[in-house]
Amino acid sequence: GQQLNQSPQSMFIQEGEDVSMNCTSSSIFNTWLWYKQDPGEGPVLLIALYKAGELTSNGRLTAQFGITRKDSFLNISASIPSDVGIYFCAGLRETSGSRLTFGEGTQLTVNP
Amino acid sequence: GAVVSQHPSWVICKSGTSVKIECRSLDFQATTMFWYRQFPKQSLMLMATSNEGSKATYEQGVEKDKFLINHASLTLSTLTVTSAHPEDSSFYICSARDLADTQYFGPGTRLTVL
Repeated sequence: GQQLNQSPQSMFIQEGEDVSMNCTSSSIFNTWLWYKQDPGEGPVLLIALYKAGELTSNGRLTAQFGITRKDSFLNISASIPSDVGIYFCAGLRETSGSRLTFGEGTQLTVNP
Repeated sequence: GAVVSQHPSWVICKSGTSVKIECRSLDFQATTMFWYRQFPKQSLMLMATSNEGSKATYEQGVEKDKFLINHASLTLSTLTVTSAHPEDSSFYICSARDLADTQYFGPGTRLTVL
């Protein structure tokens, strides 16, 4: 079941604005992943984080693995219309093998 | 980058028939693949873990006799929905795990059962 609390559930922003979303959990995770899903498509990996405190960028995207290993955030800078989609966080716990736990997703709408 | 394909991308079938969905890792070998289903406006729900050369591991509440999984090679896993009913209509997505334990997802298969 879902053990990751992802917020916000949805965001409506203007093109050019920065966006921030996060995931928290009561459990410790060893890996945090951020995916983007477009309608009718599978999730596409954006950023993978493997160490507590790690800060990683991928173009306009920046994500961090929280020091407590119980949270992660994703920032998108200078948003553009093609950023529209659903963003999911996902985590791997030591006790779950390779089974991912997913957040409930953040629906992002960018108004041109 | 790692690419995972699914076939078919969409399928419509009559109630009572069986449907097979293929998941392939195109440029890497995957000893483990995963099958998810996703309902509209919801997150992905893990159905089962597919292990090459051994039986799949099903999540609680998922009927193994209804959702048959075969992982015949290091690049191919198949999901067969047997005796499909309208409530099985959903978006089925597979993923494949690489050596770094990162999962790459396929494009999904839209199943509609009439």
